[in-house]
Amino acid sequence: AQSVSQHNHHVILSEAASLELGCNYSYGGTVNLFWYVQYPGQHLQLLLKYFSGDPLVKGIKGFEAEFIKSKFSFNLRKPSVQWSDTAEYFCAVNDRRDDKIIFGKGTRLHILP
Amino acid sequence: GAGVSQSPSNKVTEKGKDVELRCDPISGHTALYWYRQSLGQGLEFLIYFQGNSAPDKSGLPSDRFSAERTGGSVSTLTIQRTQQEDSAVYLCASSRTGGQYETQYFGPGTRLLVL
Repeated sequence: AQSVSQHNHHVILSEAASLELGCNYSYGGTVNLFWYVQYPGQHLQLLLKYFSGDPLVKGIKGFEAEFIKSKFSFNLRKPSVQWSDTAEYFCAVNDRRDDKIIFGKGTRLHILP
Repeated sequence: GAGVSQSPSNKVTEKGKDVELRCDPISGHTALYWYRQSLGQGLEFLIYFQGNSAPDKSGLPSDRFSAERTGGSVSTLTIQRTQQEDSAVYLCASSRTGGQYETQYFGPGTRLLVL
């Protein structure tokens, strides 16, 4: 069965620091990859997604993620975080053989002003 | 347009009671998903409806959980004989066609507390 691992449960950074949130998945077949974000008091929303093509994916608000197939990873990055990036971030994987999306346990990111 | 809505936003119930949670997907979206978000456990897939196809119930944790979708629109998730471990946020999402390339749009969730 597929699984998604997010290495950090809680990350605290100062503004302007660089961010990298780890995500690894277990499935060896062809997958689609996602990062979702949930800002305080808001709905879960899509940050970025990878289906095919350039493994470096750009998302909203300056976020990007790189798909490294050999490492089964899809880490999320941002060169300089802002206080408004405080949120919970979820990595997700979809096995292309079906329509279910499997989510990781999430990483709570707290940015100090 | 309007997003995915869920009701109630909060529900407190006693152990052993039945509860019904409602989801109104975005108009025109044929696919509807239910997830459960427990503290520290991420999002757990429960059930998936796509058009008139038989739902994918593979994520339902026990036979106390069931869901239906009437008229291809509104969905109700029912939990019978609730247990304390059922306490969680139940999230609904919809997508336009349900295909693997479609973005899911999430509702605000129903926070369920079983005493």
